[in-house]
Amino acid sequence: DAGITQSPRYKITETGRQVTLMCHQTWSHSYMFWYRQDLGHGLRLIYYSAAADITDKGEVPDGYVVSRSKTENFPLTLESATRSQTSVYFCASSEWDPGRYEQYFGPGTRLTVT
Amino acid sequence: AQSVTQLDSQVPVFEEAPVELRCNYSSSVSVYLFWYVQYPNQGLQLLLKYLSGSTLVKGINGFEAEFNKSQTSFHLRKPSVHISDTAEYFCAVSEGSPGGYNKLIFGAGTRLAVHP
Repeated sequence: DAGITQSPRYKITETGRQVTLMCHQTWSHSYMFWYRQDLGHGLRLIYYSAAADITDKGEVPDGYVVSRSKTENFPLTLESATRSQTSVYFCASSEWDPGRYEQYFGPGTRLTVT
Repeated sequence: AQSVTQLDSQVPVFEEAPVELRCNYSSSVSVYLFWYVQYPNQGLQLLLKYLSGSTLVKGINGFEAEFNKSQTSFHLRKPSVHISDTAEYFCAVSEGSPGGYNKLIFGAGTRLAVHP
């Protein structure tokens, strides 16, 4: 299917476990992003990537790791999950400068850390 | 640093009534402004954006927004809402950087609840 997909859609894990959230886009967009959505905070940028093998921190990067070996994939890893990382995570992509052009969002992954 | 304030966390409204969702931003430089909508259990999608030119911007689903530089506002309006407009609406502003990448800063969101 064309578009941007995320997996899993729902995940429950325990404190201290490593978790990887997957993101895949079929458009070959240069830019990809990971956001977390929490009540009262809107969306906050965790990490972004301007191209394959180029990643940079966003507003709330602590406790997260990303990689981008292929243009279409941008996985997000929680190295040792904490309860404060319970959230809804959105992946997004943008063909051009995301400050001027539309970002396309995936359906989200709801992560619960117990 | 730039910031975005959405003045109402929730807005209840009856079907076919007009609605305005308020958004103010702080910035000392030129900005680009966006409204995104999130329907239940879905990702965000772009409603409209202001980059330059006319301060009145029209978007999808009958929404429009007006950029007011002196008031640093970008309020979203619709003259007659439908039940299907029930969603969360996010205002966002892009933040310029010397490297040329403009990060998007989102407001906390406004939940629009349309009642029959």
